[in-house]
Amino acid sequence: AIRMTQSPSSLSASTGDRVTITCRASQGISSYLAWYQQKPGKAPKLLIYAASTLQSGVPSRFSGSGSGTDFTLTISCLQSEDFATYYCQQYYSYPSITFGQGTRLEIK
Amino acid sequence: QVQLQESGPGLVKPSETLSLTCAVSGYSISSGYYWGWIRQPPGKGLEWIGSIYHSGSTYYNPSLKSRVTISVDTSKNQFSLKLSSVTAADTAVYYCARVGAGSTNYFDYWGQGTLVTVSS
Repeated sequence: AIRMTQSPSSLSASTGDRVTITCRASQGISSYLAWYQQKPGKAPKLLIYAASTLQSGVPSRFSGSGSGTDFTLTISCLQSEDFATYYCQQYYSYPSITFGQGTRLEIK
Repeated sequence: QVQLQESGPGLVKPSETLSLTCAVSGYSISSGYYWGWIRQPPGKGLEWIGSIYHSGSTYYNPSLKSRVTISVDTSKNQFSLKLSSVTAADTAVYYCARVGAGSTNYFDYWGQGTLVTVSS
């Protein structure tokens, strides 16, 4: 199974900061990567798919990049509503799906 | 707007079978897409359980395959999860979601989730 490793596991930042979260796959997955945002007590929300395509309705301050084994999620100017946990998910090994362990973004 | 709603018992005894149903509204399951189950133990990350197509084709997480059955009822526009021989390790919030096929195999619509506790 393809293993997805996110770093860091947690991150403290301030409103207005630019933050980057990394996701590394244990083998090449082309661009078959999605990012989700999850707030406490809520279901995950799809932010990005195909590594860099923004889901409809997602603010443009979110962006994704990468291909192969290394991927990043960047939030260009943190807003208060962005403090949440973020997960990456690979879908290269269709139909088998795996998620990263999550990155918790906290207010500094 | 596609909406999904999980339902089922919130408490299951060890060794018994966990059964959940996901009702879909705003989209006909027969129109396409896969439909999946994902779970999240308290304070932990997400784990894909399995997915089903409207035709009944299923795909399961290899780590759970021996205990999982996912089925679909297109007449009721819903799909279901059964997980047998549960233990405390199966305590989690269970989500249902819509998932694309092939190169779009990510989850774009999710239910709100339902907590299932395994305890005697």
